[in-house]
Amino acid sequence: DQQVKQNSPSLSVQEGRISILNCDYTNSMFDYFLWYKKYPAEGPTFLISISSIKDKNEDGRFTVFLNKSAKHLSLHIVPSQPGDSAVYFCAASPNYGGATNKLIFGTGTLLAVQP
Amino acid sequence: KAGVTQTPRYLIKTRGQQVTLSCSPISGHRSVSWYQQTPGQGLQFLFEYFSETQRNKGNFPGRFSGRQFSNSRSEMNVSTLELGDSALYLCASSFLAAKVTDTQYFGPGTRLTVL
Repeated sequence: DQQVKQNSPSLSVQEGRISILNCDYTNSMFDYFLWYKKYPAEGPTFLISISSIKDKNEDGRFTVFLNKSAKHLSLHIVPSQPGDSAVYFCAASPNYGGATNKLIFGTGTLLAVQP
Repeated sequence: KAGVTQTPRYLIKTRGQQVTLSCSPISGHRSVSWYQQTPGQGLQFLFEYFSETQRNKGNFPGRFSGRQFSNSRSEMNVSTLELGDSALYLCASSFLAAKVTDTQYFGPGTRLTVL
């Protein structure tokens, strides 16, 4: 059962425009959400995160929005650059009441930014 | 500061064999997690170690095992390999894992092919 879902396997955007990547989750016990970016032949790199007590977090060109009632989060990249072309993974951390680094990942969205 | 290193980078085995993968975390990091990445499944959590103790285990059969040494280096072992074990195996390290906001850093992965 996929608890974190990224329903768009791929997305193509023109350079300079906004990229919006979406993610849905089913487990209300998730209390922390992250986005990772992955280039081919490299491991994922942390991009941005958001706690469940917030609904928005910004870092430069990247903004993550969280809608807890809809169990939905999105990553906005403005403006999009060709170097942003990569696979983006949404991840969630379950609150088990103890310390853990366990993450539940979505299946990823391949973003292609066209020059 | 050196990143997370994983050896070997590529491995080809046949069904029924066993394999050991190695992960060296960033210097000073005490938490190591392992993930399996397959097409269409995203990253699946295997296990998590902190100070030589396994703290969490994912939903994988007992053929998958791991350990962590006193220098925080970690190994994972897969016995009686099956074709479905072909995947990219990723290791991630973090400083403490005392809180989920402790950023995890991923290695480049080991690509395992089972023939």
